[in-house]
Amino acid sequence: DGGITQSPKYLFRKEGQNVTLSCEQNLNHDAMYWYRQDPGQGLRLIYYSQIVNDFQKGDIAEGYSVSREKKESFPLTVTSAQKNPTAFYLCASSMTVLAKNIQYFGAGTRLSVL
Amino acid sequence: GNSVTQTEGPVTLSEEAFLTINCTYTATGYPSLFWYVQYPGEGLQLLLKATKADDKGSNKGFEATYRKETTSFHLEKGSVQVSDSAVYFCALSDQAGGYNKLIFGAGTRLAVHP
Repeated sequence: DGGITQSPKYLFRKEGQNVTLSCEQNLNHDAMYWYRQDPGQGLRLIYYSQIVNDFQKGDIAEGYSVSREKKESFPLTVTSAQKNPTAFYLCASSMTVLAKNIQYFGAGTRLSVL
Repeated sequence: GNSVTQTEGPVTLSEEAFLTINCTYTATGYPSLFWYVQYPGEGLQLLLKATKADDKGSNKGFEATYRKETTSFHLEKGSVQVSDSAVYFCALSDQAGGYNKLIFGAGTRLAVHP
């Protein structure tokens, strides 16, 4: 089945630690995205990538980093510089970055701070 | 900038009741409009979409019509079921930045009781 796989489902971060969230898609989509969801709020864009080896900052990129070495994979690292990392993180992909292309979402990773 | 405003939840209904969740938007140009649904602990699933004025999106008994004159995209269902309990997000696509940026409303939690 085609889709987006995020892992792990739950993740705990210690003070000063970097953690990496995995996102893999087998939809052959060019574009991938990372969103952050806080309770009672909509989603906010962290980073997006239009194509392999290219990525751009979204609205709340500070304290996060990404890479796009393969078309299928777009991992997100939450660095120690992100002072409030507790949130639900969602990865998405779309065929291209054109506005009419539907974004498909993974099941999410819930990150908490120990 | 572009924005989306939707009914503040929670919305609580009895099974078989009529559902309306309001969504209004502010945008320049002609965005595409979407409704996504999020079931507990899961990612977002596309429920329906409309890409131009007067388009009606429909899926699983849900409907929404793109009304440019009122800048609205209200979600309706004639008879809700317990299984419809979820959080519903209205979103618009904004290509002003040169990429497919989704702007989300805050979400509306729907609880349907037997």
